[in-house]
Amino acid sequence: DTAVSQTPKYLVTQMGNDKSIKCEQNLGHDTMYWYKQDSKKFLKIMFSYNNKELIINETVPNRFSPKSPDKAHLNLHINSLELGDSAVYFCASSQMGGPGSYEQYFGPGTRLTVT
Amino acid sequence: AQSVAQPEDQVNVAEGNPLTVKCTYSVSGNPYLFWYVQYPNRGLQFLLKYITGDNLVKGSYGFEAEFNKSQTSFHLKKPSALVSDSALYFCAVRALFTGGGNKLTFGTGTQLKVEL
Repeated sequence: DTAVSQTPKYLVTQMGNDKSIKCEQNLGHDTMYWYKQDSKKFLKIMFSYNNKELIINETVPNRFSPKSPDKAHLNLHINSLELGDSAVYFCASSQMGGPGSYEQYFGPGTRLTVT
Repeated sequence: AQSVAQPEDQVNVAEGNPLTVKCTYSVSGNPYLFWYVQYPNRGLQFLLKYITGDNLVKGSYGFEAEFNKSQTSFHLKKPSALVSDSALYFCAVRALFTGGGNKLTFGTGTQLKVEL
């Protein structure tokens, strides 16, 4: 069973469009994250939700809006896509607190290409 | 603020030789340190972590890392490299984020290439 899954795996779209990426985890974790990995493989956190509450919100354009319907799901909606949004987006999850916490488990990534 | 430095973009090693991938960190308070590996077109896989206790931590696939507080380092090591170890390795640091949030800061990654 896949622990952290993302859909779609690849997303090709034109500038100005709106798109969503979905993430689901079956690890029973209470915290989920979105990361962006650029073409140089640099990895940066964008958002984090704990029990559906936004707890980390880095300097990200407000065209990006995360939504967490429940603690097992974290979606990322992007409005008015720009060329610079092309990247690989990773979802991750972890448990907040307790002896089994700290490490994050990553999904396979969604490669977004904006043309 | 927390930060991680991986001074080598690429490390080349012959199969069977020991390997070291370097990482230094900066964080307020006690550091929580991690190594992840990324194979091509895949997500990051957790290798090992240091939270507290023994400075030498052992992880998956025969990897280990040594925490050195005085040098603020957490170098990844393996006694005998395999060609299949070739991948991109990330070091990450975390401090307890006030108000919650396990915010990880990643290094820029080190490409490990193991050759026959």
